[in-house]
Amino acid sequence: DTGVSQDPRHKITKRGQNVTFRCDPISEHNRLYWYRQTLGQGPEFLTYFQNEAQLEKSRLLSDRFSAERPKGSFSTLEIQRTEQGDSAMYLCASSRDRLEQYFGPGTRLTVT
Amino acid sequence: GENVEQHPSTLSVQEGDSAVIKCTYSDSASNYFPWYKQELGKRPQLIIDIRSNVGEKKDQRIAVTLNKTAKHFSLHITETQPEDSAVYFCAARDGSTLGRLYFGRGTQLTVWP
Repeated sequence: DTGVSQDPRHKITKRGQNVTFRCDPISEHNRLYWYRQTLGQGPEFLTYFQNEAQLEKSRLLSDRFSAERPKGSFSTLEIQRTEQGDSAMYLCASSRDRLEQYFGPGTRLTVT
Repeated sequence: GENVEQHPSTLSVQEGDSAVIKCTYSDSASNYFPWYKQELGKRPQLIIDIRSNVGEKKDQRIAVTLNKTAKHFSLHITETQPEDSAVYFCAARDGSTLGRLYFGRGTQLTVWP
């Protein structure tokens, strides 16, 4: 499968724990995006990388959230001290320059 | 930032009928408008997109129209089939950002056989 992949697909954690998600973009894509989707809503932008540089962050991305793309390939999104309000589907997308964005299957986070 | 409104939130049609979903956007600088289809538990899938220098684009049974003056764009699906049932999202990318998409809230389309 040469599409965007994400791991894990599901994560259940207790409030206060830290979680980390991984996204592997399509290999030739230099741009990588993180979105969050809650039930009944469209995806909401969190942050964006061009190669290894994080170029844009949403106000939704509080200090508890951090994202990296160390070698310009895969990316990780970490949430520290999780809260119940963090429960959502976390989607990763990639694109080549400003062309079409292709989404991964998402990581569904449940905070209990 | 950009604000995208999408209507209707639910749409039920009989197989073979047409379906139309409409979106409006607020930022006149927006220049790219994709549509995604999301089946239950699956990733959003890009089905068609249109850029601001084009008024209409068609791909088999799917078409998208754009009215820049009125700041609205629409998805048209003809000869609907049960497998078209899904949630459809419109999105807009404004010219001032580096690539983020602003999404509507989605339309649940149900096609009855």
